[in-house]
Amino acid sequence: GAVVSQHPSWVICKSGTSVKIECRSLDFQATTMFWYRQFPKQSLMLMATSNEGSKATYEQGVEKDKFLINHASLTLSTLTVTSAHPEDSSFYICSARTQLGGKNEAFFGQGTRLTVV
Amino acid sequence: GDSVTQMEGPVTLSEEAFLTINCTYTATGYPSLFWYVQYPGEGLQLLLKATKADDKGSNKGFEATYRKETTSFHLEKGSVQVSDSAVYFCALREPSGTYKYIFGTGTRLKVLA
Repeated sequence: GAVVSQHPSWVICKSGTSVKIECRSLDFQATTMFWYRQFPKQSLMLMATSNEGSKATYEQGVEKDKFLINHASLTLSTLTVTSAHPEDSSFYICSARTQLGGKNEAFFGQGTRLTVV
Repeated sequence: GDSVTQMEGPVTLSEEAFLTINCTYTATGYPSLFWYVQYPGEGLQLLLKATKADDKGSNKGFEATYRKETTSFHLEKGSVQVSDSAVYFCALREPSGTYKYIFGTGTRLKVLA
């Protein structure tokens, strides 16, 4: 099946610094990628939808200036958490949409656990 | 808005026991329904799906039936194994073409040998 790779798997950063998370589709081109956030014991919440070559569409309540999303190519989207604070500590997961082989599915990365200290 | 409600865990079962994880949804139109599984330290993997009413999705001994009349998509397995221990997420995909997924809170399953 299609593989989505996320990097890093975990990261610890100091408060006030910025962190970049990469999401790559390894064996297919993804015109659309999605970024989710998962708080402990809660579900995944969609943060934004990213289309290649255009600005991301953010869900209500998500600060676009804090969570910068870039989708510069059909295989890579990045999420940058700017000026991170402890409340940004969470599990971030991306998914990429494919229409390979007639399938119309979204595949998920393994997630990135961010801890801000 | 659309939503998914999933039974809270954790669920602890003995090996070979019967598993049911309840999932109900609220949606306008006709969403597609999914079960995803997340093993420790890994991302989400699609377990099964159903795209229209009365469809039954099945995979690895798990199955779920899309019940429009009860707006449910309960996950079942007749005999669980230790290797089934994971977090299970019920989700719907809005029919609008945006490819937006709405997830339940996840249910942690622990199977004891």
